[in-house]
Amino acid sequence: DTEVTQTPKHLVMGMTNKKSLKCEQHMGHRAMYWYKQKAKKPPELMFVYSYEKLSINESVPSRFSPECPNSSLLNLHLHALQPEDSALYLCASSQETRGRGRSNYGYTFGSGTRLTVV
Amino acid sequence: AQSVTQPDIHITVSEGASLELRCNYSYGATPYLFWYVQSPGQGLQLLLKYFSGDTLVQGIKGFEAEFKRSQSSFNLRKPSVHWSDAAEYFCAVVKLGGFKTIFGAGTRLFVKA
Repeated sequence: DTEVTQTPKHLVMGMTNKKSLKCEQHMGHRAMYWYKQKAKKPPELMFVYSYEKLSINESVPSRFSPECPNSSLLNLHLHALQPEDSALYLCASSQETRGRGRSNYGYTFGSGTRLTVV
Repeated sequence: AQSVTQPDIHITVSEGASLELRCNYSYGATPYLFWYVQSPGQGLQLLLKYFSGDTLVQGIKGFEAEFKRSQSSFNLRKPSVHWSDAAEYFCAVVKLGGFKTIFGAGTRLFVKA
C-alpha cells in the first residue's frame, strides 16, 4: 500500500461546528504532516508528528487541534473555524531516520480535504 | 534566509515540445531537492528527488532534473510534453537533518494542442 488516504474529500461546516479530518497510511512512515493550501499558493506547513509525538507546530491557532492516535493515523480536529480557514487540507507522510539527524526523503501526499467554512 | 525561487509563474508549451521549469534555492549547504506535481483539486505527487551523487536524476512520467551546485539550481525537464502534463509544479527543498519542506511558489504549466 503506497497511499495516503484522507477523509472526507469535501467538508462544509459552520463557524460553530466541530468536525475532524482523518488521514491514514500503511507504508510504515513514522513522520506525518498536516498542510494547508490556499488557491494558487504552495502548501503551508501546520503540524509535524514524528513517532506519534508532535514535533512541529507552526504557530497554528488553537481552533486546529492535531492528534496522532497511532503510527498509521493522523487526525485534525476543527472547532470554531473562520471563513478564512477555507482551504485544501493536505496530509502527508514520509520516512524518517533518527540517529544522524532527522530528515525526510520526500512526501507521499493524500488527495486532500476541501474545507469550506460558512 | 532559506528560500526557493521558481521565477516563472506560468509557462505555455505546445504538445510534443520540450519543457524546462526553473528552480533556484538559497541555502548554506546543498539541501535535499525535490519536484512535486499537483493536478487541479488533487494532492501533490513526488516526481523526483536529489540527495547526492549523479547530478542528473530521473523521475516518473518521463521527467528528469539536473542539479547544478555552481548555480544553486535544480531545473526540471521533459523532452516531449503531453497534454496530461498540464498541472502545477512545485520545487521544494529540505535542509539536511531537518523536517520542514520549503516549497517554491509553483509554476503552472499549460499545454496547447
